[in-house]
Amino acid sequence: GNSVTQMEGPVTLSEEAFLTINCTYTATGYPSLFWYVQYPGEGLQLLLKATKADDKGSNKGFEATYRKETTSFHLEKGSVQVSDSAVYFCALSADFGNEKLTFGTGTRLTIIP
Amino acid sequence: EAQVTQNPRYLITVTGKKLTVTCSQNMNHEYMSWYRQDPGLGLRQIYYSMNVEVTDKGDVPEGYKVSRKEKRNFPLILESPSPNQTSLYFCASSVTGGWIEKLFFGSGTQLSVL
Repeated sequence: GNSVTQMEGPVTLSEEAFLTINCTYTATGYPSLFWYVQYPGEGLQLLLKATKADDKGSNKGFEATYRKETTSFHLEKGSVQVSDSAVYFCALSADFGNEKLTFGTGTRLTIIP
Repeated sequence: EAQVTQNPRYLITVTGKKLTVTCSQNMNHEYMSWYRQDPGLGLRQIYYSMNVEVTDKGDVPEGYKVSRKEKRNFPLILESPSPNQTSLYFCASSVTGGWIEKLFFGSGTQLSVL
């Protein structure tokens, strides 16, 4: 079946540090890949997505590239801010007709001023 | 404002006492779904609905019921709650279920079953 593996958290960084959160996946077919963010006390929000190999999703300074050869979708940001503190979820959606997002376990990120 | 509204936000109950968590969306979305979030397990799908009167099981449906009588509403029913159903629950909706391009999530319901 489909699965998503994220790096274990929590992750604590200083402001303006470089961020990488690793995500690898197992899926049949050609999945779409997503990063969702959950701020304290809120529901999940779509951060970025990529629908085919070599696509790069980007939003709010975050980027992730769909790497089919390594089955990865790592999240990166060049300079994090305190406001980026949240839980980040990697997720996939498999072929058309599969009505489900498969989520990773989430990575809690804390940014220290 | 486009949104998914869940109620209640927090709920404490006792084993065996039936409860309903409501979910409503104002975006005319066809697809709606329920997830539960547990530490170390991420989000797991409970049930989903492709449209009115069409529902199907997700990965962890045991102990839950749903109904979709109207397009905007998708309540989650726990007929006889047990402590292992203590969790954070999220309702979500999308324009269509064919491609989950963007799910809109509610703010969550924290349920504690004593």
